[in-house]
Amino acid sequence: GQNIDQPTEMTATEGAIVQINCTYQTSGFNGLFWYQQHAGEAPTFLSYNVLDGLEEKGRFSSFLSRSKGYSYLLLKELQMKDSASYLCAVRDDYGGATNKLIFGTGTLLAVQP
Amino acid sequence: SAVISQKPSRDICQRGTSLTIQCQVDSQVTMMFWYRQQPGQSLTLIATANQGSEATYESGFVIDKFPISRPNLTFSTLTVSNMSPEDSSIYLCSVEAVTGPEAFFGQGTRLTVV
Repeated sequence: GQNIDQPTEMTATEGAIVQINCTYQTSGFNGLFWYQQHAGEAPTFLSYNVLDGLEEKGRFSSFLSRSKGYSYLLLKELQMKDSASYLCAVRDDYGGATNKLIFGTGTLLAVQP
Repeated sequence: SAVISQKPSRDICQRGTSLTIQCQVDSQVTMMFWYRQQPGQSLTLIATANQGSEATYESGFVIDKFPISRPNLTFSTLTVSNMSPEDSSIYLCSVEAVTGPEAFFGQGTRLTVV
């Protein structure tokens, strides 16, 4: 079956660092994505990992271990505007026929002053 | 990046009626995807819309309930048929980037069925 797990909620302090974990079990794998979604808005793309290791992009970093079915999103120097839901998604590759995204339940991050 | 225009942005509909949601992309794309996001939950794929062929539906979604059209490479519609309050949700259109792996999303249609 397809299963992607994330913590439901997290709280962190402005200026701090927070790590949001994601574990997955899918029938296929062709990349892992992190999206940010503010309330009432569409998801926006943050990062993409297809090989093991760390991808850094400004204040955001994402890590992938394919053997462990594990990823995390690291947010540094937290700002109030980072309060949002963070969605982990796996691209499930049916032999290339359709590269659909399977989303986790999302982690609602609250950044406090 | 792709610019996706989705409309209506929101609607309140009577049960038993149908609503058609439109998705327009500013560039030609091979596949378009329709997702549902129920209140407080994450995104669930409804179907993949391919130009020139029938849409591919995910488990739990059927064509009679969610008919999809894909007349060309920049446009698609999703119809929510014979609506009930359980269909109240946000419906999002999505496309893959032409030059990268990421997907882009429309602003969504917030549907309330009363």
